[in-house]
Amino acid sequence: AQTVTQSQPEMSVQEAETVTLSCTYDTSESNYYLFWYKQPPSRQMILVIRQEAYKQQNATENRFSVNFQKAAKSFSLKISDSQLGDTAMYFCAFVGRGSGNTGKLIFGQGTTLQVKP
Amino acid sequence: SAVISQKPSRDICQRGTSLTIQCQVDSQVTMMFWYRQQPGQSLTLIATANQGSEATYESGFVIDKFPISRPNLTFSTLTVSNMSPEDSSIYLCSVDEVGGYGYTFGSGTRLTVV
Repeated sequence: AQTVTQSQPEMSVQEAETVTLSCTYDTSESNYYLFWYKQPPSRQMILVIRQEAYKQQNATENRFSVNFQKAAKSFSLKISDSQLGDTAMYFCAFVGRGSGNTGKLIFGQGTTLQVKP
Repeated sequence: SAVISQKPSRDICQRGTSLTIQCQVDSQVTMMFWYRQQPGQSLTLIATANQGSEATYESGFVIDKFPISRPNLTFSTLTVSNMSPEDSSIYLCSVDEVGGYGYTFGSGTRLTVV
């Protein structure tokens, strides 16, 4: 069974600084996607970034980038130039894309990030 | 990406009653997913709803407690039945975008059972 682990329940960072959120996962599949979602106090789940397992290049979306280490099954999120609006809970998620998969997202426990002024 | 309208956004209910949550998608989707998020915790999948077939429930969730309807490719409902305070949570629906490129979520329903 696939699992996703976020070992940092809470983190804080000063505005304009850089922070990295950790995520590890376990799977025997070779075809899968990984995601980072942001959930601010409004509770809306917002897709931050996605990574296809077959792509070696790390995904980047503006101030957000990932460090995808497939062999180590690690998928960390780096937020550069942190802004107050980045304060939220962040979830790492996995979905298998091989045959027989049902498309279920598997979430990590979440990391609460506070950006301080 | 798809846009999901989820209603109600919040409700306070008496124990023993039922609440039906609706999700309307602006495009046709094959699968819809229903999640529960207890306070301060991660999302737990309740069930997967395919149009025209019975929903598939995850371990720990049963149809009598969480009946789901999926009458067409753009709409689904989740009912929380015979509620108790332990059912107080956020409930979210989600759809799998074409090609699995990402999942879109409804805005969530915050349920409080008193």
